[in-house]
Amino acid sequence: QKEVEQDPGPLSVPEGAIVSLNCTYSNSAFQYFMWYRQYSRKGPELLMYTYSSGNKEDGRFTAQVDKSSKYISLFIRDSQPSDSATYLCAMIKAAGNKLTFGGGTRVLVKP
Amino acid sequence: EAGVTQFPSHSVIEKGQTVTLRCDPISGHDNLYWYRRVMGKEIKFLLHFVKESKQDESGMPNNRFLAERTGGTYSTLKVQPAELEDSGVYFCASSLVAIGSGNTIYFGEGSWLTVV
Repeated sequence: QKEVEQDPGPLSVPEGAIVSLNCTYSNSAFQYFMWYRQYSRKGPELLMYTYSSGNKEDGRFTAQVDKSSKYISLFIRDSQPSDSATYLCAMIKAAGNKLTFGGGTRVLVKP
Repeated sequence: EAGVTQFPSHSVIEKGQTVTLRCDPISGHDNLYWYRRVMGKEIKFLLHFVKESKQDESGMPNNRFLAERTGGTYSTLKVQPAELEDSGVYFCASSLVAIGSGNTIYFGEGSWLTVV
C-alpha cells in the first residue's frame, strides 16, 4: 500500500470553476504537508505549505489539513487555463529530510 | 538568481551503458537532494547531501547508482550499468536549510533518461 494516495485524474473543469484536489495518507508520522504544481517537462514548484490541521489561504489557493482523518485538500478558486498542470501533494515526517509524494493529479482548465 | 540547473535535459542510452547526470544547486544552498520518477510511479527520494556529505542515501535503489558532491557545490549522479527500469526523470533540488519544518526546496527541471 502506498503511503500517500492521490487520484491521478485527469480532472477537467471550465474556466472560473473551483478545482478540488485531495490526498490521503496512512502514516500519522507525517507532520508537514505541501502542494506542488508541475507543468509539463518542468520541475515541481511549491504552492502551499501547511503544518497544523485547519485551513491556510493564499490568494486563489486554500489548503486544508485534517490530521485526524489523514486527509489533505487543495482548492483553487476562479480557475484559469494557466492552472492546467499536475498537482502533487507531498509530506514530511517530523525531523525528516525527505518528501513523500502522491502520484499527482492532472488538471485541465478549459477556456 | 539562477535556479537549480540540471544537465543533460534528455538522454537516451542503451542498456548496459553509463550515464552521468549533473546538478548545479542554487548558489549558497548547502542541501542538495536527488529524486526520481519512473514511469507510472510517484516521485521518490534518492538521497540528500549536506555540503559534500551524504546525509541520507536510503532511497538509492542499488549499487549501480553513485552520487557525488565534491567540494559541496555541484553534484553528479552516475548510473552504471544502466538498466531498462532506470528510465524516468531524475530531479535535483536544493534548499538553504534542511526541508524539515516546511522550508522551501527548489526543484530543477529534471533530466529525462530513457534506457533502450
